[in-house]
This record gives sequence, structure tokens and C-alpha cells, in this order.
Amino acid sequence: QITLKESGPTLVRPTQTLTLTCSFSGFSLSTSSVAVGWIRQPPGKALEWLALIFWDDDKRYSPSLQTRLTITKDTSKNQVVLTLTSVDLVDTATYYCAHSSGRLRYAFDYWGQGALVTVSS
Amino acid sequence: EIVLTQSPATLSVSPGDRATLSCRASQTISTFLAWYQQKPGQAPRLLIYDASNRATGIPARFSGSGSGTDFTLTISSLEAEDFAVYYCQHRSRWYTFGQGTKLELK
Repeated sequence: QITLKESGPTLVRPTQTLTLTCSFSGFSLSTSSVAVGWIRQPPGKALEWLALIFWDDDKRYSPSLQTRLTITKDTSKNQVVLTLTSVDLVDTATYYCAHSSGRLRYAFDYWGQGALVTVSS
Repeated sequence: EIVLTQSPATLSVSPGDRATLSCRASQTISTFLAWYQQKPGQAPRLLIYDASNRATGIPARFSGSGSGTDFTLTISSLEAEDFAVYYCQHRSRWYTFGQGTKLELK
């Protein structure tokens, strides 16, 4: 079965770079029409999409955050890494990674449990 | 950039009631719309994709409809486990989520 899990720091200082890793199993990111995305949710607020990487290494970023985001994949390790530069207090959120595929029109059908990241000095 | 507006923000209903949630897009999006359910402390769960297709394992009481700019998620007879926040989501070159509708117990 498909599982995903986010990992990374729980506390980050303002202006630092946040690096999160999504480790997954049950699928391969080298398989056609597969993608992995990152979504975050500030406490008590709505979901916000951040980035997506496709099996062919095509990458998409939220227009409002694209200058600060980088998404990469390591197919051999079954991992996707997201970096967010110059973090600020407003970047405090639970960060989720999720599986997507063309079969479901690239909706997110499997999600990790989420990783809470707090930005604080 | 497409904006998704969900209404109402909060819907107070009773078990057994029918619930109708709305999602309106700022421009036409065909049927590229999904619905998710999120309970406190949990990751979102995919309910509907491509506007009207139920995801695997989703009960038949959940149904989606609409195309273009107006979409609806209907829960035909609410059960206790359905009280949660519901989000719509669109995919084009980018993804957009609505701000959510909270289904609460009347």
C-alpha cells in the first residue's frame, strides 16, 4: 500500500532555510503519470498548495512562493525534498506531502501524517 | 490565478440531514475539481475527484456535481463521522484550495 511520511526540523529560526523530506513507499516516482506534492496548513487555517514534482522531473510551484521554493526528487531513495528559503513567522504550519496520479486527474489521494514546523526566534 | 470560494463557511446540521456544500471558481475550470474531508489532527482525505468521481472507499452518501464555475458536494444523510471541514481544490498548471466549509453539529 502507499504510504508517505514527512521529516525535518520542528523549529526553524527566521531567515533560515527549511528543508523537509518526504519518504514514501508503495509507488515509484519514475512511473509515468505519478507526482508528489507539498501542501501546508497554518494552525487553524486552510490548506495551501506549495509545489509538485512529476515523474518526468517537471516541477510546479505556487506563484506566490516560487522564488523561495525548490522541490527535488531522489528516485533511488524514494524521497522528495522541499526547501523553503528565508522563512518567516507566517511559515509556521503543518507541512504535508501527498501522492498524485493521472488516474485521478492529479488529485491528492494519499497523504502523509504531516510535520509541524514552527518558525520562531 | 483561479480563486475558489466555498460557501457557507459553517453549516450547522443534524445527523440524518442532507448537507449541500458549494464551491465557486473565479473562472471556468471544466471538471478539474476535487473535494477533501479533514478532521481535527488528521491529514485531508480525498472524497471526490474530477468533480463527480468518488475516490476508493468513499461511501455512496458522498456525491459531487458541477462543471464550469459552480460545484457542489452533497452528503445525502449525515452520519456522526461526517462532521469535519471540507475543502475543494482545483488543478490547472497550479493547484488552488478553497478556504473550507466546516460542518458542525446543530
